[in-house]
Amino acid sequence: DAMVIQNPRYQVTQFGKPVTLSCSQTLNHNVMYWYQQKSSQAPKLLFHYYDKDFNNEADTPDNFQSRRPNTSFCFLDIRSPGLGDAAMYLCATSRDPGQGHNEQFFGPGTRLTVL
Amino acid sequence: DAKTTQPPSMDCAEGRAANLPCNHSTISGNEYVYWYRQIHSQGPQYIIHGLKNNETNEMASLIITEDRKSSTLILPHATLRDTAVYYCIVRGYGNKLVFGAGTILRVKS
Repeated sequence: DAMVIQNPRYQVTQFGKPVTLSCSQTLNHNVMYWYQQKSSQAPKLLFHYYDKDFNNEADTPDNFQSRRPNTSFCFLDIRSPGLGDAAMYLCATSRDPGQGHNEQFFGPGTRLTVL
Repeated sequence: DAKTTQPPSMDCAEGRAANLPCNHSTISGNEYVYWYRQIHSQGPQYIIHGLKNNETNEMASLIITEDRKSSTLILPHATLRDTAVYYCIVRGYGNKLVFGAGTILRVKS
């Protein structure tokens, strides 16, 4: 089945130690998104790629970066994780957003713990 | 995109219809109403969307009032697996999803 895969499902890192989360998709979608979801809160968009074009949300901290080496893969890099960055990180994909209805398909998420 | 208001939580008996309301009084003419749900420890899942006509698919029905200021998501025969947070999102053509607080639906046996 076509899907969005996130690895690992659980990640533990130390305060200040860089960490990378990965997302892959078999849907061949143009757009890939990264959301942050803190405990008991709604998902919040960090940034998205439309093909190779990176689109950052205005309030996303500089500590968060992303890479998309090809259509299938997208990475979230947290350069210096703080305790406040502990959260579920969700990857999603969709077709071209300019073509009207574009359902987003979400992966299962990676739960990040910062010690 | 217009803001939405949903009740924080609702209960529903298993096998009965679950009716989840959403207010979006500032919706504009070209904005769609989307519903997603998030089962515990999973990513959100698309349910249904509509512009002004009522819509039905294999998961749910969406009833939008004539003035488009509110809508109701209907799960016709709720099961325990429908327990989740349900998000009503108003979204312009091609725009991003902005999640609000949602409604926690608890289906009870």
